[in-house]
Amino acid sequence: NAGVTQTPKFRVLKTGQSMTLLCAQDMNHEYMYWYRQDPGMGLRLIHYSVGEGTTAKGEVPDGYNVSRLKKQNFLLGLESAAPSQTSVYFCASSYSLMVAGAQDEQFFGPGTRLTVL
Amino acid sequence: RKEVEQDPGPFNVPEGATVAFNCTYSNSASQSFFWYRQDCRKEPKLLMSVYSSGNEDGRFTAQLNRASQYISLLIRDSKLSDSATYLCVVSFYGGATNKLIFGTGTLLAVQP
Repeated sequence: NAGVTQTPKFRVLKTGQSMTLLCAQDMNHEYMYWYRQDPGMGLRLIHYSVGEGTTAKGEVPDGYNVSRLKKQNFLLGLESAAPSQTSVYFCASSYSLMVAGAQDEQFFGPGTRLTVL
Repeated sequence: RKEVEQDPGPFNVPEGATVAFNCTYSNSASQSFFWYRQDCRKEPKLLMSVYSSGNEDGRFTAQLNRASQYISLLIRDSKLSDSATYLCVVSFYGGATNKLIFGTGTLLAVQP
């Protein structure tokens, strides 16, 4: 089992460009999450999904869109990248819904390092 | 005030030492608690969930104090391989909004 995978691993964008980050999991988890991690700040939840075809906003959703067309995939889109979106992005999945108090494990992907110039 | 706060460290300790980290949280709503470990430039991985009765896993012990609103992680007989950042994670749920909040992490460096 590969667990949670993310592509790409690194990316440099210019301001205004768009891109999509792909997350895939092979654990048959219902719940998937996108986070960003910045120096001096904890991981912050951008969006999450409670199942195929459903998404919900997290703590910092502005400037991002997501889609969950297939249970195993969760896509994060940046329509018009800004320097403030320079960050490390982590995708995660879990068997139970973490934001609803599940005492469960989240499995994280290896991260995507994005720089917006 | 941050909803979840940790001492950023670094904690520099010799091998074999015992080290303890605290994490405080501000929201008294229903919660679940975790400690995650993150190695440099890697993804976070679950170290242990924290239960009301406290729990132990080998050299690691996690405790919860709801009255004072903090959780702790104790590492005994530190190993070089314990060097990492330890993230405190709290889920607040059942109210107007559900949240999952990560602390900024405490850096542990175990010295030979």
